[in-house]
Amino acid sequence: EADIYQTPRYLVIGTGKKITLECSQTMGHDKMYWYQQDPGMELHLIHYSYGVNSTEKGDLSSESTVSRIRTEHFPLTLESARPSHTSQYLCASSEFNPADRNPNYGYTFGSGTRLTVV
Amino acid sequence: GQSLEQPSEVTAVEGAIVQINCTYQTSGFYGLSWYQQHDGGAPTFLSYNALDGLEETGRFSSFLSRSDSYGYLLLQELQMKDSASYFCAVLSGGYQKVTFGTGTKLQVIP
Repeated sequence: EADIYQTPRYLVIGTGKKITLECSQTMGHDKMYWYQQDPGMELHLIHYSYGVNSTEKGDLSSESTVSRIRTEHFPLTLESARPSHTSQYLCASSEFNPADRNPNYGYTFGSGTRLTVV
Repeated sequence: GQSLEQPSEVTAVEGAIVQINCTYQTSGFYGLSWYQQHDGGAPTFLSYNALDGLEETGRFSSFLSRSDSYGYLLLQELQMKDSASYFCAVLSGGYQKVTFGTGTKLQVIP
């Protein structure tokens, strides 16, 4: 049973359209992340958040934006989609606290949104 | 910056043991994680090592040597369903950012 949900699972959209990829988690995690991954390739961090009203850009430059108004919700928006945005977008959350003496750290990933821009 | 290196592909026989290595360069190191990802699926967390040594979870074990900036994932009694990509990931920095390696595609053959 998934505790982090992404919608839509697949999306084909025309160039220039505005889209929002949804991500919600029910675990109460403060930390949430968006990764971009092309097939067979590594994951690149594009945005992250450590709590409500906290958002930061990741290591990979992205033309997308994010918001974090509620703990459980971390949507990603592309204002004007382009073919170069075609990729898989993965949302993740975690509760890692470095102060924990015996941390059991791990990200929980959503199923991803496979985006195709034509 | 941060970098991780792992082999791009590994092939092993069903029932055998396989080791996937990972070397890393990073500052502010907290620990090393391993994830499994089947084609078309999402990564699934397998293990996390913050201290030197071996951590065992069923058929999977993970090892870390902080002094060598090196770790490995050991898969025993390989099954066909273990065919997937395996990513090492470094947790580092003041705000727990995770950087993923390029992934190792494991193919298990009969």
